[in-house]
Amino acid sequence: DTAVSQTPKYLVTQMGNDKSIKCEQNLGHDTMYWYKQDSKKFLKIMFSYNNKELIINETVPNRFSPKSPDKAHLNLHINSLELGDSAVYFCASSPFSRGRGSNYGYTFGSGTRLTVV
Amino acid sequence: DAKTTQPNSMESNEEEPVHLPCNHSTISGTDYIHWYRQLPSQGPEYVIHGLTSNVNNRMASLAIAEDRKSSTLILHRATLRDAAVYYCILRDPNYGGSQGNLIFGKGTKLSVKP
Repeated sequence: DTAVSQTPKYLVTQMGNDKSIKCEQNLGHDTMYWYKQDSKKFLKIMFSYNNKELIINETVPNRFSPKSPDKAHLNLHINSLELGDSAVYFCASSPFSRGRGSNYGYTFGSGTRLTVV
Repeated sequence: DAKTTQPNSMESNEEEPVHLPCNHSTISGTDYIHWYRQLPSQGPEYVIHGLTSNVNNRMASLAIAEDRKSSTLILHRATLRDAAVYYCILRDPNYGGSQGNLIFGKGTKLSVKP
């Protein structure tokens, strides 16, 4: 019954590698997000997608490329990983439509802890 | 940028009520007040939200000041499971872009003692 699921839960990789994190939601929401939580526990939005279309890119390096094959999935691909990319990445979704805000709550996944060595 | 101010940390005893304050003196007329919490090693979890009137749900109550410049999240009987970071967030549902997104501040870390 998992609403927002992310895989993998843990990811350890070397600098310079390329990796992907997958996210799927079964709530029928049309908007999905990626957040990054750094070592100081500060949560920052990275991207939001509405119906497979990018809405927000919050000054994230272009090494990060989100991909949404359908509105239930939003994957995050990261090229040339750097030490500073180490963080916990959270996927979230909400019933939110472009140009018309929604006051519904966000549902978050349990996070992917990425460690770059 | 977060437009709310919360204490960095608070302590509570188990089974006692907890009042978590939030100041938002620059709140606009269309901003809703949202509360989320993040349990250790988990993603944030929606708790409650409101506009002007006090709100109750199965998790908590939200008391909103008459001038809307502050609010208080009330946990009626704290349990050990309520130990988490609690975030108070303003969100305007009229915006479809980044202004309408959830922007997290530092929150209040609540510790619950048995």
